[in-house]
Order: sequence, then C-alpha cells, then structure tokens
Amino acid sequence: EVQLVESGGGLVQPGGSLRLSCVASGFTFSDFWMTWVRQAPGKGLEWVAYVKQDGREKSYVDSVKGRFTISRDNARNSLYLQMNGLRVEDTAVYYCARDAAAHNLFDYWGQGTLVTVSS
Amino acid sequence: DIVMTQSPDSLAVSLGERATINCKSSQNVFYNSNNKNYFAWYQQKPGQAPKLLIYWASTRESGVPDRFSGSGSGTDFTLTISSLQAEDVAVYYCQQYYSTPPTFGQGTKVEIK
Repeated sequence: EVQLVESGGGLVQPGGSLRLSCVASGFTFSDFWMTWVRQAPGKGLEWVAYVKQDGREKSYVDSVKGRFTISRDNARNSLYLQMNGLRVEDTAVYYCARDAAAHNLFDYWGQGTLVTVSS
Repeated sequence: DIVMTQSPDSLAVSLGERATINCKSSQNVFYNSNNKNYFAWYQQKPGQAPKLLIYWASTRESGVPDRFSGSGSGTDFTLTISSLQAEDVAVYYCQQYYSTPPTFGQGTKVEIK
C-alpha cells in the first residue's frame, strides 16, 4: 500500500524558516517524480514544486522561487521542502504527492501538514 | 501559465440525479503526438487530501466507481456523476498537466439537495 506521511508543519513568524518532510512507503521511491502541493485555508490547490527521480532537476512556482528548496533522499525514501523567508501568504496545508507519469499527474497524496505564518 | 476555470462554483443535486461540472482551460491541453489530453479531475472530501479520479480526460483511476465519467478535448472538459450518492459530497478540481506549472481550477462544491 502506497503511503505518504508529511511532518514538520507548525507556527512560524514572518521571515522565519521551516523544513517539511515526507516519508514514502509501499513503492519504489526512486522511480518517481515527487511534488509538493499546498492549499491555503478554505482555498483551492496550488502546485509548489517538483523534483525528478535523481534529485537534480527541480521546478518551482514563481511565488516561492529563491525562498523554497525541494530535495529528496532516495536512500531514506524521503522528500523535503526547506522553506525560508516565509510570508503570511504561505500559510497552507502542504501535501506531498507522487507523480504518476512524470508529467505532474498526482496519483497518491499524503494527509498534509499545516504551516501557519503569523506574528 | 494555463488558467483553468470551472463552472459552476457550487451545485446541489438530489440523490440519484446527475451532476455535471465543466472546466475550461485557457490553452489547448491536447498533445497531437500521442492523441492525449493532459487533463485530470480530483475529488476532495471534507478534511481529506485530494484523490485522483480521472486522468487523460476520460480514464478512470483504479477503484473509482463507474458513475464518474470524464469527457471533452482541447480546452473544454466535463465531469459527470451519473447518479449522485451521499458519499460523493466533495469539492472537485480539474487540473492540466500539459505544461509546467501544472494548474488547478478553483474547485466546484457538490452538495445534496
């Protein structure tokens, strides 16, 4: 059974940093692109970033470029999102998701972790 | 970026009746070389993560009931729930994966009338 379990969310002040983690199981992690998608309270879904299988190629939504870094550790079956320079508008539930077809199609999602940026 | 626009924003349907949700993309998401629409539908129930329902515009994900169907091509797509069940109450999102960044519609909330 495919499982994705996020952790690391919490309350942080504007300008602060946070590192999210996602541990995967039930599939060969190193075979898949992995993604972070976020959802602000009461709002829709927004793709944040992806990382390809070997961790070298990455892409980000414009609003987080230069502030967020996606990475992975295939030996640990883990995906990460380092978030620096956090803003109030980054407040959201952050979901880790598996890319089904190396094309930004998301077939499995974690339960999400809430990041709240507030003073 | 490709903008995805869903309609309506919400709808209330009686149990057993048909529900129809539309989604329009600002650009063509049909890839001629493989004859595929890079388009998906997701279901998000209250308090849960999104779940993939349909991809390539009309292919049901494994385990999705056949009352869910997707249609359309190019820029205009439809999700149909043929006979609404209580467990279908959710917000439904369309998504294009034709180009990066992948983008979602704003969501359509489906409720029981």
